[in-house]
Amino acid sequence: GQSLEQPSEVTAVEGAIVQINCTYQTSGFYGLSWYQQHDGGAPTFLSYNALDGLEETGRFSSFLSRSDSYGYLLLQELQMKDSASYFCAVRDKNNAGNMLTFGGGTRLMVKP
Amino acid sequence: DAGVTQSPTHLIKTRGQQVTLRCSPKSGHDTVSWYQQALGQGPQFIFQYYEEEERQRGNFPDRFSGHQFPNYSSELNVNALLLGDSALYLCASSSLLAAYEQYFGPGTRLTVT
Repeated sequence: GQSLEQPSEVTAVEGAIVQINCTYQTSGFYGLSWYQQHDGGAPTFLSYNALDGLEETGRFSSFLSRSDSYGYLLLQELQMKDSASYFCAVRDKNNAGNMLTFGGGTRLMVKP
Repeated sequence: DAGVTQSPTHLIKTRGQQVTLRCSPKSGHDTVSWYQQALGQGPQFIFQYYEEEERQRGNFPDRFSGHQFPNYSSELNVNALLLGDSALYLCASSSLLAAYEQYFGPGTRLTVT
């Protein structure tokens, strides 16, 4: 099976940089995705890493190290609207379909 | 372009009853997955449908069943409801070529009393 670990809560101030880590255990691996979910809302796709290295999309970047089974989401120039839950998710090679296994989520609180 | 839509938004049922939830995928997507999300937790995969067949199933009992129609829309049925089935039920659609990027609907909040 698969398991993912991420911190339950992170607090940061507006304008700062925050890193949300994710470690995973899986017997096969396609890639690591990140999703954002505001309270009462649906998860929305942020980024995907299939290969090692950094992927940058605006203020958000995501990193993957396959050898370390580790990834992180980096949020820069934090804004109040970034307060949300962030989930890492893996799609592994043992699955015939598009099944995603999600971590428990990290609740980010951005303070003024 | 309409995204993923789900109905109903909220639902209250009594233990032992049956419920049907509905989902229309994003235009151009042929694969629909269903997830259960308990409060404060990550979504848990229930099953996935492609070409009207259940392609993959998570660790959920047979009380959970589904269907996909020729227009790619899908239904999730839950029989013999338990209090523990109270959760947010999310539908996600994707294409096989971009399986890592799933588009989620707003969800159906099911409360079992």
